[in-house]
Amino acid sequence: EVQLVESGGGLVKPGGSLRLSCAASGFTFSSYSMNWVRQAPGKGLEWVSSISSSSSYIYYADSVKGRFTISRDNAKNSLYLQMNSLRAEDTAVYYCARYSGYSDYWGQGTLVTVSS
Amino acid sequence: QSVLTQPPSVSGAPGQRVTFSCTGSSSNIGAGYDVHWYQQLPGTAPKLLIYDNSNRPSGVPDRFSGSKSGTSASLAITGLQAEDEADYYCQSYDSSLSGVVFGGGTKLTVL
Repeated sequence: EVQLVESGGGLVKPGGSLRLSCAASGFTFSSYSMNWVRQAPGKGLEWVSSISSSSSYIYYADSVKGRFTISRDNAKNSLYLQMNSLRAEDTAVYYCARYSGYSDYWGQGTLVTVSS
Repeated sequence: QSVLTQPPSVSGAPGQRVTFSCTGSSSNIGAGYDVHWYQQLPGTAPKLLIYDNSNRPSGVPDRFSGSKSGTSASLAITGLQAEDEADYYCQSYDSSLSGVVFGGGTKLTVL
């Protein structure tokens, strides 16, 4: 059974940093691209970042470029999102999702709240 | 403002057929990139409903169907049921942005 479990969310002050993790199981993690997608309270889905299976290709939404860094460790079946210079508008549930042009599996999400 | 445009809300009575539209541009849907649809029930993660314009993942009832034409795509639900009440999102890829794009979502209300 495919499982994606996010962790690392929490309350952080504006300008602070947070590192999200996503533990994958039930599939060959090293064969798939992965995405981070977020959803602000009461709002729609927003793509944040993508990383290819071998980390050769990495893409970011303009809203997070220069502040967020996506990475993965295929040996640990894990995906990460390092978030720096956090802003109030980064407050959202962050989902990791397996990606093959579409996302067929999603984690349950982890809530990041940026507030003073 | 989402790159893909969806109506904010759609409603229908049980048993009826409803459709959801998703309008893009020449850099995403019109460029030939596939459209995918997700269903998000309240308080849960999105679930893949339709992939590659018209394909249903295993376990998705055939009441759900998708199509694509030009710069737009649509999702249809026939035989509407109360449990279909959810938010529906379309997704594609945009070559100008070099990234995944979502529609703003459509909230389905079953009357």
